[in-house]
Amino acid sequence: AQSVAQPEDQVNVAEGNPLTVKCTYSVSGNPYLFWYVQYPNRGLQFLLKYITGDNLVKGSYGFEAEFNKSQTSFHLKKPSALVSDSALYFCAVRDRGFQKLVFGTGTRLLVSP
Amino acid sequence: GAGVSQSPSNKVTEKGKDVELRCDPISGHTALYWYRQRLGQGLEFLIYFQGNSAPDKSGLPSDRFSAERTGESVSTLTIQRTQQEDSAVYLCASSGGQGNSIQYFGAGTRLSVL
Repeated sequence: AQSVAQPEDQVNVAEGNPLTVKCTYSVSGNPYLFWYVQYPNRGLQFLLKYITGDNLVKGSYGFEAEFNKSQTSFHLKKPSALVSDSALYFCAVRDRGFQKLVFGTGTRLLVSP
Repeated sequence: GAGVSQSPSNKVTEKGKDVELRCDPISGHTALYWYRQRLGQGLEFLIYFQGNSAPDKSGLPSDRFSAERTGESVSTLTIQRTQQEDSAVYLCASSGGQGNSIQYFGAGTRLSVL
């Protein structure tokens, strides 16, 4: 069975500092991995995905994520956080044999001025 | 349309009533998904439609839940005899249907069962 773990309910970071939001996953085969962001009262917005190839994936708004197969992780990173990055972040995985996304429980990112 | 559209944005109903939630996918998207997001939790898969294939209903929590889609257009999620535990945000997503397609989400319908 597929599963995703986001071990931190909340991450606090000062504006201008680097940020990391952690994600680990479990699938039976090779995964498709995604990060989405959710702002209050809005749907999920796609940030980036890993399908194959380069382990470092670059996405929207300066975010990037690194796929680590040995550690089954796909941590989201950004070199310099903005207050406007404050939101709820979801990691999701898809087993290549299935269509549905399996989501983590989300991590709330709070960037302070 | 430009994005996935869901209606209504908010729905308040009484326990035991039936509700219908609507989703308009992005034009040309063959795949459509419904998810449920309970307060403070991640998204749970409910059902998936792909073209004219039989839908994947494996995530529907009970037989009170059903969904339909006409061709590659609008989908309706119906919850019969609503219960308080059905209170959640119901999110719809659509994608191009290819293996590595991105799912694009609507803003959701917030359902409150009193």
